[in-house]
Amino acid sequence: AQRVTQPEKLLSVFKGAPVELKCNYSYSGSPELFWYVQYSRQRLQLLLRHISRESIKGFTADLNKGETSFHLKKPFAQEEDSAMYYCASKRTGANNLFFGTGTRLTVIP
Amino acid sequence: NAGVTQTPKFRVLKTGQSMTLLCAQDMNHEYMYWYRQDPGMGLRLIHYSVGEGTTAKGEVPDGYNVSRLKKQNFLLGLESAAPSQTSVYFCASSRTGTSGGELFFGEGSRLTVL
Repeated sequence: AQRVTQPEKLLSVFKGAPVELKCNYSYSGSPELFWYVQYSRQRLQLLLRHISRESIKGFTADLNKGETSFHLKKPFAQEEDSAMYYCASKRTGANNLFFGTGTRLTVIP
Repeated sequence: NAGVTQTPKFRVLKTGQSMTLLCAQDMNHEYMYWYRQDPGMGLRLIHYSVGEGTTAKGEVPDGYNVSRLKKQNFLLGLESAAPSQTSVYFCASSRTGTSGGELFFGEGSRLTVL
């Protein structure tokens, strides 16, 4: 079964410091990996997907198949990055997205 | 553009009562989903639909039923509510099931079963 693990429930960093939110997946095939974000009083929304190799709001995430990880990184955290972040995976062609338990990021001014 | 709308947003039920959560989307999406979110558990898929008239079980379907009579609506029913169904329920939709994983979520419905 697919599983996504986010080991940190809470993460606090100072503004301007680098931030890394960890995500590990258990699927042995070729998964598709995503990061979703939920800002205060807003809906859960897609932040980025590994297949696009994009940088959104300064965040990047690299799929490391050897370590089965998809950590989310940003070199300089901003206060507006404070939010709940969910890592998610799906098997190619499947209809189901599996979500991790989420990490609440707080950026301290 | 409303996107995905869930009603009601809050509800308190007594054990054994029934209720229906309504999800409506105005994006003409084929796929719709119902998730529940519990502390420390993340989001877990209850049921989903790949098109009008179709439904399928997700990860935690027991105790729930769904219907997709119209493309824009996806109903989640609890026939006999139990305290274990106290949760925040999220509806989502996507253009296709393999549309790069982008789901559009509703605001959530908080259900408490006493």
